[in-house]
Amino acid sequence: NAGVMQNPRHLVRRRGQEARLRCSPMKGHSHVYWYRQLPEEGLKFMVYLQKENIIDESGMPKERFSAEFPKEGPSILRIQQVVRGDSAAYFCASSFSGTGARTDTQYFGPGTRLTVL
Amino acid sequence: SQKIEQNSEALNIQEGKTATLTCNYTNYSPAYLQWYRQDPGRGPVFLLLIRENEKEKRKERLKVTFDTTLKQSLFHITASQPADSATYLCALESSGTYKYIFGTGTRLKVLA
Repeated sequence: NAGVMQNPRHLVRRRGQEARLRCSPMKGHSHVYWYRQLPEEGLKFMVYLQKENIIDESGMPKERFSAEFPKEGPSILRIQQVVRGDSAAYFCASSFSGTGARTDTQYFGPGTRLTVL
Repeated sequence: SQKIEQNSEALNIQEGKTATLTCNYTNYSPAYLQWYRQDPGRGPVFLLLIRENEKEKRKERLKVTFDTTLKQSLFHITASQPADSATYLCALESSGTYKYIFGTGTRLKVLA
């Protein structure tokens, strides 16, 4: 039973390029969360998605960042025109029931480490 | 604003002893609190959840307390082992939503 999968594990981009991070949730999970973690900082919530819907994107910068979770395929976090400050570890988590189940466990993927040169 | 504080200094303890980690919060009244373990280069792994009406929760060698008066949670690992060495994160539910706010974590090192 595979856990949450993220790819790539490491991504290097030059300033101005686009970064695409992928997340496949656990089997049976239809709720996905994206977090960003900077060194020596806590995980920061970015966005919560269900299949084909963005439920809460309050933690995601308004510009350059977007996320989707299509009916088929993985969830994608897209960062356009990356800047050095985007360098961080990006984690995806999935849960079974999401909203309404406040005790629902989130299962995290291994993360994608983005480095912007 | 809501704030979570975990001791940013690493905690070193001898194998076999009990490790105690602290999570303090302000401007919060979370109904739920979670503890996670994170190893270097990996994602967090869920350990325990405790509700506001529960004073204590146990799972094998782990024990969590939740004092809503002191606004504090304590995380204990009894009979600690070198394999317990990791960073431990506390996370508090944000204002009755599904969102959890994470602390910066405390690094624990268990010395053999």
